[in-house]
Amino acid sequence: ETGVTQTPRHLVMGMTNKKSLKCEQHLGHNAMYWYKQSAKKPLELMFVYNFKEQTENNSVPSRFSPECPNSSHLFLHLHTLQPEDSALYLCASSQRTGGSDEKLFFGSGTQLSVL
Amino acid sequence: AQSVAQPEDQVNVAEGNPLTVKCTYSVSGNPYLFWYVQYPNRGLQFLLKYITGDNLVKGSYGFEAEFNKSQTSFHLKKPSALVSDSALYFCAVRDMRTGANNLFFGTGTRLTVIP
Repeated sequence: ETGVTQTPRHLVMGMTNKKSLKCEQHLGHNAMYWYKQSAKKPLELMFVYNFKEQTENNSVPSRFSPECPNSSHLFLHLHTLQPEDSALYLCASSQRTGGSDEKLFFGSGTQLSVL
Repeated sequence: AQSVAQPEDQVNVAEGNPLTVKCTYSVSGNPYLFWYVQYPNRGLQFLLKYITGDNLVKGSYGFEAEFNKSQTSFHLKKPSALVSDSALYFCAVRDMRTGANNLFFGTGTRLTVIP
């Protein structure tokens, strides 16, 4: 176990649904991230939070809405998604952002299918 | 802009043979390079990193990587492959000059070790 827990593991939703992905880290880290993993594409950095403040929004469509109520929890709220949004969504944490040797600790991901 | 390229989608190697997973990078400043591994149904796990110093970096599970500045490469190697090494391997780079200092990943290389 990496200390980063994501729920649910699998999610199937229609394009008109609203759902949320949850991430929790038990490592005492201050930075949390959302990445999107699609087959044969680089991992796409979506959002970065440092000490609960959003420091990066990598041109992500507004149908994805992140929330970071505290340093241990991160949510990704989903609404009116498209089939091309189907992917594995990975949450990660690190002690902080900005360090040259900073390591990321990843959760197991939520496999999302949009019908 | 920073980027990494993993030219091989798939690498097959016989158990006991040496393995190499290739990675080349592009950054504007000094590169900070990483390898992560993803086992089935799991998130990414840190393997090793190059920040400065010796060009040969040793990491977890007997893996090592060689930093070659002239060839802008950071290939992952292991002298003797195990079946349990079968996984998806990601190369990543951090360019400290960009200000965001985030990790940018490649597309991944799937390693299959054949018994």
